[in-house]
Amino acid sequence: AAGVIQSPRHLIKEKRETATLKCYPIPRHDTVYWYQQGPGQDPQFLISFYEKMQSDKGSIPDRFSAQQFSDYHSELNMSSLELGDSALYFCASSLGGDRTYEQYFGPGTRLTVT
Amino acid sequence: TQLLEQSPQFLSIQEGENLTVYCNSSSVFSSLQWYRQEPGEGPVLLVTVVTGGEVKKLKRLTFQFGDARKDSSLHITAAQPGDTGLYLCAGADNYGQNFVFGPGTRLSVLP
Repeated sequence: AAGVIQSPRHLIKEKRETATLKCYPIPRHDTVYWYQQGPGQDPQFLISFYEKMQSDKGSIPDRFSAQQFSDYHSELNMSSLELGDSALYFCASSLGGDRTYEQYFGPGTRLTVT
Repeated sequence: TQLLEQSPQFLSIQEGENLTVYCNSSSVFSSLQWYRQEPGEGPVLLVTVVTGGEVKKLKRLTFQFGDARKDSSLHITAAQPGDTGLYLCAGADNYGQNFVFGPGTRLSVLP
């Protein structure tokens, strides 16, 4: 079965640079979530989109923005990168409107800021 | 803000032993999910429980949702080294909003 695809899998950037992470949800899933996971921590919710509209906002810094496109893929744009932004970034998708809200996670993008 | 707590935080056991990990909250959840995560990989959904008192079995794993839908447990029978990983519970509140993760239980099963 098709899973969530994330690209790139690994990314190395320098401080103050920008980065764009991409997420392709499971086919027919209309909701995308972004999470940040630091070492030894649980995933922290950043932001979500349902039907191309922002549906919920978590602890996403103002330096980050995201959007969901007409084909339901999503991009997380990160500017003025800081050392503390180094983490695993996960995208998850679900079929919106289902009260079980089962989220299926991608393999993640490991961002390293030097 | 609703929170999920998990216990124990760390668990190291020998192959063949049984174990139970717990997920607790003071809030009511419309559903709870259990995920297993290996280092550097995304969480993998194991099960979703929706109805209070519900019990689901997945091979050697038994999941239970509390009657009041505020807590859940995961019981593993005859643990194997392949069960090693971070077990996360997560859930959405009664309105299907505010999806949160617990801090996880890090399980190590020694051969």
